[in-house]
Amino acid sequence: ETGVTQSPTHLIKTRGQQVTLRCSSQSGHNTVSWYQQALGQGPQFIFQYYREEENGRGNFPPRFSGLQFPNYSSELNVNALELDDSALYLCASSLAVGTGYEQYFGPGTRLTVT
Amino acid sequence: AQKVTQAQTEISVVEKEDVTLDCVYETRDTTYYLFWYKQPPSGELVFLIRRNSFDEQNEISGRYSWNFQKSTSSFNFTITASQVVDSAVYFCALSEGNTGFQKLVFGTGTRLLVSP
Repeated sequence: ETGVTQSPTHLIKTRGQQVTLRCSSQSGHNTVSWYQQALGQGPQFIFQYYREEENGRGNFPPRFSGLQFPNYSSELNVNALELDDSALYLCASSLAVGTGYEQYFGPGTRLTVT
Repeated sequence: AQKVTQAQTEISVVEKEDVTLDCVYETRDTTYYLFWYKQPPSGELVFLIRRNSFDEQNEISGRYSWNFQKSTSSFNFTITASQVVDSAVYFCALSEGNTGFQKLVFGTGTRLLVSP
């Protein structure tokens, strides 16, 4: 069984640029969530995708957007990067969309905005 | 609003000591789920346990045990006979049951350092 994978591992971008992060969900999982983890903090929920649609969103501006593909993989796009966007971005997949299902996390993408 | 508080920022113990990590949560829902995750230096969050609000039974898994008390809104995690490999940041998280989607709300984490 393949776990959650994310790419790239590290990324350095300049303020104002755009970035795309990618995630492949664990085999058999149809729901993908994205979290932002600033240094020394707990992860913050960005949004969740199910059946290729966003079905829940945290307190993040519209410049954070995403996609889910028919194979359940997902992308996180961030436009107009700001210095505060520097963080570890974690993708998690779960077996179904219900609130009680465990979420399994990938290794994350560390984004640095200069 | 939902909130998770992990008041212990960092705990240092010597190998073989027992250690308890505290977690206090706030929610208005009667249906909710509590989780513990481990984050080693590699960065990947590792799922440890899930508990729903209707199941207050304590759970033991090897050296790990969890104590869920609704009366005090706490879900504490104890490691017995700690080992160096237990060194990591541990997160407690809450998910409310009536949102239609799963949003994990995490605490700020407790860094556990186990020295030989």
